[in-house]
Amino acid sequence: EAGVAQSPRYKIIEKRQSVAFWCNPISGHATLYWYQQILGQGPKLLIQFQNNGVVDDSQLPKDRFSAERLKGVDSTLKIQPAKLEDSAVYLCASSSPQGRRVGYTFGSGTRLTVV
Amino acid sequence: KQEVTQIPAALSVPEGENLVLNCSFTDSAIYNLQWFRQDPGKGLTSLLLIQSSQREQTSGRLNASLDKSSGRSTLYIAASQPGDSATYLCAVLQGAQKLVFGQGTRLTINP
Repeated sequence: EAGVAQSPRYKIIEKRQSVAFWCNPISGHATLYWYQQILGQGPKLLIQFQNNGVVDDSQLPKDRFSAERLKGVDSTLKIQPAKLEDSAVYLCASSSPQGRRVGYTFGSGTRLTVV
Repeated sequence: KQEVTQIPAALSVPEGENLVLNCSFTDSAIYNLQWFRQDPGKGLTSLLLIQSSQREQTSGRLNASLDKSSGRSTLYIAASQPGDSATYLCAVLQGAQKLVFGQGTRLTINP
């Protein structure tokens, strides 16, 4: 089966600019996650979708970050305006209804550098 | 709030040695624990998944154990190779399918 697709792979922007990331999960996976991984740290959950709905966005900085999941499939994560501390790798993951038994699949990530 | 800790933060060993990476978690109410590998600039690759009812899982030279009651897991790598150099992350699955990660152990295998 195809993996989780993310684009772009790399992005460099100036602070206060806007940026968007795209994720296409594994076909049939109902749950989709966006994680932020700052250099030297473990991934931190930003938002979790179950189909179209948001399950957990408690750690999403809602004043500047937004995310949506179109028709329960693809998802976009947007930052507007970006700050220097947003420099990180943004990882998308998906899981099936049997996720507790089969685990999660991660994409290759988008590396964002804010200058 | 679940907290996952990995020790050591970095480890450097000569090729051929056996080694152990440690992971601890504060809340034992987990569904499973997963070990991932991350190469520089890349995403996460799943290595082993241990269900909460299991004690260990093996894949090739890798063996992961889980002691849920004490909140600990270990990843054992046998006969290490330079290609094993990477960051190793453990993550626990909690209710509502939320995955909580440790900060990782950066492993370097020296030829």
